[in-house]
Amino acid sequence: GDSVTQMEGPVTLSEEAFLTINCTYTATGYPSLFWYVQYPGEGLQLLLKATKADDKGSNKGFEATYRKETTSFHLEKGSVQVSDSAVYFCALSPPDQAGTALIFGKGTTLSVSS
Amino acid sequence: EAGVAQSPRYKIIEKRQSVAFWCNPISGHATLYWYQQILGQGPKLLIQFQNNGVVDDSQLPKDRFSAERLKGVDSTLKIQPAKLEDSAVYLCASSPNRGGSGWFFGPGTRLTVL
Repeated sequence: GDSVTQMEGPVTLSEEAFLTINCTYTATGYPSLFWYVQYPGEGLQLLLKATKADDKGSNKGFEATYRKETTSFHLEKGSVQVSDSAVYFCALSPPDQAGTALIFGKGTTLSVSS
Repeated sequence: EAGVAQSPRYKIIEKRQSVAFWCNPISGHATLYWYQQILGQGPKLLIQFQNNGVVDDSQLPKDRFSAERLKGVDSTLKIQPAKLEDSAVYLCASSPNRGGSGWFFGPGTRLTVL
């Protein structure tokens, strides 16, 4: 079945460092891909998304490009801030099951220190 | 616009006890989801409603879990009897049209079973 694999955490960085969180997926066809963020004590929030190959999603300085050839959707940010400390989830929406719930990876915890 | 509301935010019970969680989706959202998020894992779908009908409950442990969405608005998820492995955060999400316009998550209910 469809699945998402994320890099293991935690990821610990200093402020202004470059961030990459790897995400790969398994799905038939072309799913929509998402990154969600969960700040401490809060619910999941959509960070960015991409719905077709080569699309780049971006928001708040974060970017991710839908790579069909490598079935990947890696999250990047050029300069992280302490306020970016959170858990990040990669997710997909299966292409052939419109309306089906999201399938999530295990999440990657990011901790940024000043 | 008010977000997805959930209550209680925290609950601690003994194993074999019963517990219920409540969710009020965003007004007008026809689709409602319950997810279980065990510590260190990504959210896993338990049940999906479209209005007051069940779309997918294939991953709901029906021997102990039940859910309803009377009148197609708010929803209740119940566990009876609870087991230690049910300790998790229970997330409710809603969507206006089965994900086509995105999914919106509530803050979750953290359940601890002792």
